[in-house]
Amino acid sequence: DIQMTQSPSSLSASVGDRVTITCRASQGIRNDLGWYQQKPGKAPKRLIYAASSLQSGVPSRFSGSGSGTEFTLTISSLQPEDFATYYCLQHNTYPPWTFGQGTKVEIK
Amino acid sequence: EVQLVESGGGLVKPGGSLRLSCAASGFTFSSYSMNWVRQAPGKGLEWVSSISSSSSYIYYADSVKGRFTISRDNAKNSLYLQMNSLRAEDTAVYYCARDPEYDYWGQGTLVTVSS
Repeated sequence: DIQMTQSPSSLSASVGDRVTITCRASQGIRNDLGWYQQKPGKAPKRLIYAASSLQSGVPSRFSGSGSGTEFTLTISSLQPEDFATYYCLQHNTYPPWTFGQGTKVEIK
Repeated sequence: EVQLVESGGGLVKPGGSLRLSCAASGFTFSSYSMNWVRQAPGKGLEWVSSISSSSSYIYYADSVKGRFTISRDNAKNSLYLQMNSLRAEDTAVYYCARDPEYDYWGQGTLVTVSS
């Protein structure tokens, strides 16, 4: 099984900060990775697909990069509505499809 | 507009059974593989099961294999998860999500296994 190691598990940041979240895959997954945002009591929402493609309707302050084993989600200027938990998901080798452990972005 | 609406969750005793449903609309359901993902209270996301568009391929997480059965009815645009021999650790919100790449998710249905 492919393990996805996401870091950090949580972070505190201020509005306007640049935020970076990382996912590392235990083996190469090409660019078969998505990033998801989840707010309390809500379903996950896809932000990024194919590692770096922005989902339609998602603000351009969100970006993704990486290929192979290391991937990054960047929020260029954190907004109040961005405080949430973020997950990566690999869909290269399955089953199982595997998620990162999540990163909770909190207000500093 | 793509919509996925889960139903069927509730409170069930350990060892009991429950059947979840996911009603799909806004896309050609029969063309897409579908998935179940769950999230235990305060925990992360865990893939549970997947089924291909024609039900030819079915997969389960080790944690539910032999207890859960995924199925679909393309004529009714519906996805199902039959859950038997439920355990306390199956307590979670269960989401259905569309393939490829889990682009759309339902709002989830809560399953609580407790005596």
